[in-house]
Amino acid sequence: DTGVSQNPRHKITKRGQNVTFRCDPISEHNRLYWYRQTLGQGPEFLTYFQNEAQLEKSRLLSDRFSAERPKGSFSTLEIQRTEQGDSAMYLCASSFGRTDNSPLHFGNGTRLTVT
Amino acid sequence: SQKIEQNSEALNIQEGKTATLTCNYTNYSPAYLQWYRQDPGRGPVFLLLIRENEKEKRKERLKVTFDTTLKQSLFHITASQPADSATYLCALGRAGGYNKLIFGAGTRLAVHP
Repeated sequence: DTGVSQNPRHKITKRGQNVTFRCDPISEHNRLYWYRQTLGQGPEFLTYFQNEAQLEKSRLLSDRFSAERPKGSFSTLEIQRTEQGDSAMYLCASSFGRTDNSPLHFGNGTRLTVT
Repeated sequence: SQKIEQNSEALNIQEGKTATLTCNYTNYSPAYLQWYRQDPGRGPVFLLLIRENEKEKRKERLKVTFDTTLKQSLFHITASQPADSATYLCALGRAGGYNKLIFGAGTRLAVHP
């Protein structure tokens, strides 16, 4: 179990640029989640994949955000035309199991700073 | 709208004492509740799960209670150690919700030697 891996750890970009983050979940996990966390707040749900299917997107995920999980393995989260309000920690988590309450295994996140 | 409240102020306690953290929620009917620990610059780490039909769960020095009438969970760390210093997050989930969790803002715990 090598854990959930996220890259890059930090990203600084200028407003208006596009950024892409990558998440490699624990290999046998079929469920993958993206969350966003700002300072002093808990993680907020963004989107969920079961295998390669994206089954839910939060209203927080504007049309500038897109996530993919080709072949049900790694996932990418892209933000187009970044805004300063996008500055946050983007967390990926994975889990396995048929039950709803399987614990989430989080990566250490990608911290995005938009200047 | 649904709301989860955790002690907003940091909790400072002396080593060896029991730390008690509170999680209250409104406008939500969770099927289960999970507690996570988060260290600065790191992702949350799962600690305990308690289901709506369970009153109490224990794991080593950790104990969690769940009162669906009061809409409250209490998280206890007994014989606390400086290494327990971290932010503790409670998270609620619904049945059929594929573990889409709603998190509280967390409570920062500082255990002093």
